[in-house]
Amino acid sequence: EDKVVQSPLSLVVHEGDTVTLNCSYEVTNFRSLLWYKQEKKAPTFLFMLTSSGIEKKSGRLSSILDKKELFSILNITATQTGDSAVYLCAVCGVMNRDDKIIFGKGTRLHILP
Amino acid sequence: DGGITQSPKYLFRKEGQNVTLSCEQNLNHDAMYWYRQDPGQGLRLIYYSQIVNDFQKGDIAEGYSVSREKKESFPLTVTSAQKNPTAFYLCASSILPYYEQYFGPGTRLTVT
Repeated sequence: EDKVVQSPLSLVVHEGDTVTLNCSYEVTNFRSLLWYKQEKKAPTFLFMLTSSGIEKKSGRLSSILDKKELFSILNITATQTGDSAVYLCAVCGVMNRDDKIIFGKGTRLHILP
Repeated sequence: DGGITQSPKYLFRKEGQNVTLSCEQNLNHDAMYWYRQDPGQGLRLIYYSQIVNDFQKGDIAEGYSVSREKKESFPLTVTSAQKNPTAFYLCASSILPYYEQYFGPGTRLTVT
């Protein structure tokens, strides 16, 4: 059965700490893995990963994919209170020629000032 | 401004009534999606459409229906057959199915 599992489900750290969020998956015919940040309403796109071992970076956020071990991590360095959000991982695959998208339950990150 | 819009923001309905949620995009995206999000849960796919006049069921399509008569529009009808319709509904679009999705602001539906 296709699934996406994120861990931890919630995390509380102090401002300035570094955090690592995990996303493991089992998906038929993998195509891509995407990270989103959801603050109050609509998720906003962070990264799309398709190749193993290539780090994507945007400011203090970075992400990498391991297609052999079937997981991705999202790193946030020097965290700020504005990083408090739910971080969602989604994996896209193909089953019976139909594209399939599965979201994990998310990691709720809270940054204490 | 390019983007994806949903209306209304909040919707209240009585049990037994059908209700239609609007989703419009002017990003010229072929693919559009409807998700449902319940408290503490991730997004669950209801329906998606890769092209006009074609759509596929997601994981939780029962009690919902959609249409895709125009590229820009992908309305979702929550029918009276949906047993637990109260939820936050998100619409999204993307250039291709496995690419980044752009989300609308969401509609919070409450059925009593």
